[in-house]
Amino acid sequence: SQQGEEDPQALSIQEGENATMNCSYKTSINNLQWYRQNSGRGLVHLILIRSNEREKHSGRLRVTLDTSKKSSSLLITASRAADTASYFCATGEDAGGTSYGKLTFGQGTILTVHP
Amino acid sequence: DAMVIQNPRYQVTQFGKPVTLSCSQTLNHNVMYWYQQKSSQAPKLLFHYYDKDFNNEADTPDNFQSRRPNTSFCFLDIRSPGLGDAAMYLCATSRPGSKNIQYFGAGTRLSVL
Repeated sequence: SQQGEEDPQALSIQEGENATMNCSYKTSINNLQWYRQNSGRGLVHLILIRSNEREKHSGRLRVTLDTSKKSSSLLITASRAADTASYFCATGEDAGGTSYGKLTFGQGTILTVHP
Repeated sequence: DAMVIQNPRYQVTQFGKPVTLSCSQTLNHNVMYWYQQKSSQAPKLLFHYYDKDFNNEADTPDNFQSRRPNTSFCFLDIRSPGLGDAAMYLCATSRPGSKNIQYFGAGTRLSVL
């Protein structure tokens, strides 16, 4: 079953508004990451939050993590037309002490920011 | 700049005709991944290498195979492409101890005629 489920599937806003995307997951995680994908391109890592963290900021990005609810949100403040892209959450598995693990990606949110 | 490069960006093949996609990296990362991504869907992991150690996902069809001749290069071979294999194929790398942050190439868009 899909580990990460995101909502909304699509979000359309005006430049300057804030965009909030949500992600839910099912199993124990080591960390949760957010990636961005421009149309027809590869994914780019945006931000990582560890399972023992509740909130993290990076520039205009704010990520929250609620492990009790198995959910995370990504907030993009003061959005720009250049933020138009798909955004995916990805959960890093609890690899039981190994130093790397696989990522499971959510279905993604398509964000459109209108100038 | 260190990066992950996928060639070609666009590949057209015929139904049943073998095709190979390539990925190279200058990051010197131990782990390389191949994902399949269909339109408006999440990337789906096909397999990954930790150095030369190959790890296949349970639901990856036998039609898909991979080779990693050295640290820098990894290939995805599709032995007999079907129409359902048309997709974006993404290569990614990661370094152990880096919390599995992955670095992706731009992808190869495969069309099957």
